[in-house]
Amino acid sequence: GQNIDQPTEMTATEGAIVQINCTYQTSGFNGLFWYQQHAGEAPTFLSYNVLDGLEEKGRFSSFLSRSKGYSYLLLKELQMKDSASYLCASMDSNYQLIWGAGTKLIIKP
Amino acid sequence: EADIYQTPRYLVIGTGKKITLECSQTMGHDKMYWYQQDPGMELHLIHYSYGVNSTEKGDLSSESTVSRIRTEHFPLTLESARPSHTSQYLCASSIGEGHTGELFFGEGSRLTVL
Repeated sequence: GQNIDQPTEMTATEGAIVQINCTYQTSGFNGLFWYQQHAGEAPTFLSYNVLDGLEEKGRFSSFLSRSKGYSYLLLKELQMKDSASYLCASMDSNYQLIWGAGTKLIIKP
Repeated sequence: EADIYQTPRYLVIGTGKKITLECSQTMGHDKMYWYQQDPGMELHLIHYSYGVNSTEKGDLSSESTVSRIRTEHFPLTLESARPSHTSQYLCASSIGEGHTGELFFGEGSRLTVL
């Protein structure tokens, strides 16, 4: 079956670095997405990886290892506004997104 | 900011009522989607469309219908609402050409069925 695993909740301190992991098992693979979702709001796109390696975009970076079925989202210089849920989604061979349940990130002062 | 709109944002109705959730986008996107999301749970695909007169069923489609008569409009209809339909419904769109475009989401419609 198809499955996305990511931690339910993580806590980090303002100004620190946090890494949110995601493992995936999908029928075929056409890329890995990360979305941010603040409470009560719609998800917004953060990153897309289809090749192995690290993609950096400002304070946020995303890494992919296709052989391990593994990705992570790295957030640096954490700010209070980064408190949100982070959704990992893998695109399968039919170009459909398989979503994880999201990781709720709590930032403490 | 994405130009995709959902109405109503909040709706409380009784069991057995017929409801339509509206979704419109002004970006000219070919692909549109309806997702259901419960708190702390993954998004589940209900229906999707690759363009006008194209509709496909997702994982949770059996109790709802959609139509795509115009590119910009993708309404979702529940013929007879039940308490199990209580959830958040998210509409999204993406660029049609190529398969890996990011999704743009609406603000969501939160439905409560009593």
